[in-house]
Parts: sequence; structure tokens; C-alpha cells
Amino acid sequence: DIQMTQSPSILSASVGDRVTITCRASQSIGSWLAWYQQKPGKAPRVLIYKASNLESGVPSRFSGSGSGTEFTLTISGLQPDDFATYFCQQYNTFPPYTFGQGTILDIK
Amino acid sequence: QVQLQQWGAGQLKTSETLSLTCVVSGESFTRFYWSWIRQSPGKGLEWIGEIEYTGSTNYNPSLKNRVTISVDTSKNEFSLKLTSVTAADSAMYYCTRGPVTGRFDPWGQGTLVTVSS
Repeated sequence: DIQMTQSPSILSASVGDRVTITCRASQSIGSWLAWYQQKPGKAPRVLIYKASNLESGVPSRFSGSGSGTEFTLTISGLQPDDFATYFCQQYNTFPPYTFGQGTILDIK
Repeated sequence: QVQLQQWGAGQLKTSETLSLTCVVSGESFTRFYWSWIRQSPGKGLEWIGEIEYTGSTNYNPSLKNRVTISVDTSKNEFSLKLTSVTAADSAMYYCTRGPVTGRFDPWGQGTLVTVSS
């Protein structure tokens, strides 16, 4: 299985900040990566697919980049609604599709 | 707008069979793959398996011996069975559409399954 490792595990930031979350794959996955946001008690919601494509309805302050084994999710101008947990997921090699362990973005 | 609603037993005893069903509305059931994913504090998000309307399935090798996903196209439903459950199978279970261009969206509301002895 391809292992997905996110860093940091916890990120403290303030409203208005620009933050970056990193996801590393244990082997190359091309651009086959998605990012999700999850709030307490809710199912994950997709933000980005194919590494850099913004899902319909997702604010443009979210962006994704990377290819191969290293990927980033950037949020430019944090809003109060953005404090949540973020996951990456690969779909280059399956089964199984695999997820990162998550990054908790909390308020500083 | 596609919606997924799931149901099933949330409290199980060790060695019992987990059984969940998900109904899809607002979308052609035959256009996509449909998956089950679970989430636990210990293992995070874990993809369980997927099914197409034809009944073609793929499973996570780690669960393959205990998992069956089936489909009822007449009801736009797909179901999950996981046999011989243990405490390690305690998790929130989600049904979801996908993968579609690799991503899973939308998701059902989730079913919390707790396995006790």
C-alpha cells in the first residue's frame, strides 16, 4: 500500500493567515491526489482533486500543488470557517485508496 | 443534487456480522462506482471497498476475506457486510460516491459502529 504522511499533525494559526499543509507519498503518485476538509461530527468534504483542481463550490482561497511524492494544500487568508481537520488521499495505486493521517488546523 | 443516506445496526458483539445499507438519490446509480470508507481514531480513514452497478467489486486487501459489498439497482442501494467483527472494527462507517476522478464525494451521514464483547 502507498503510505501518505501529512505534516504538521497540528497547525495553529490566526484568521487572515496563509497556511500550508504538506502531504508526502511513499512512492510517486503522479498528480493523483485529493484534499478533504472535515469538521467535527461531519463527513469529509472534497476541496481539491488531481492535486490542483478546485472542487466546484470551494472558495478560491484554497489551492493545491505538487506532483510525484510531495504535495501541498494552501489556504490564503484563513477564515473562521476553515478551522477543521484536513486529509490527503491518493488514487494512483489501488486497491486500496489510502489517506493521510490528518492535520488539525486550530485557532492560535 | 446527489444525496446518500445510510442505515444499519450500530451496536454489535464480537464475531457478529456488520450490515449497513446506503440509498442514493438525485443521481443515476449506474454512472459511478460507490464505496464504503470507515474512520477510527486509531486507523484514521480507511477505504473498505467499491462496487459498480454491474456488481463488479474491489476490496481493500486488508479486509477482503471478511467483506462483501452488494448492489440493488432497482432500489438505488448498495450494502456492506463485514463478518467476524472485533473491537478493531469499531469506527464511523461512511458510504460515498466514487472514486470519481479519484475523489469521494458526496458522503453519507455516517453510522457509528461499536463492537463489544
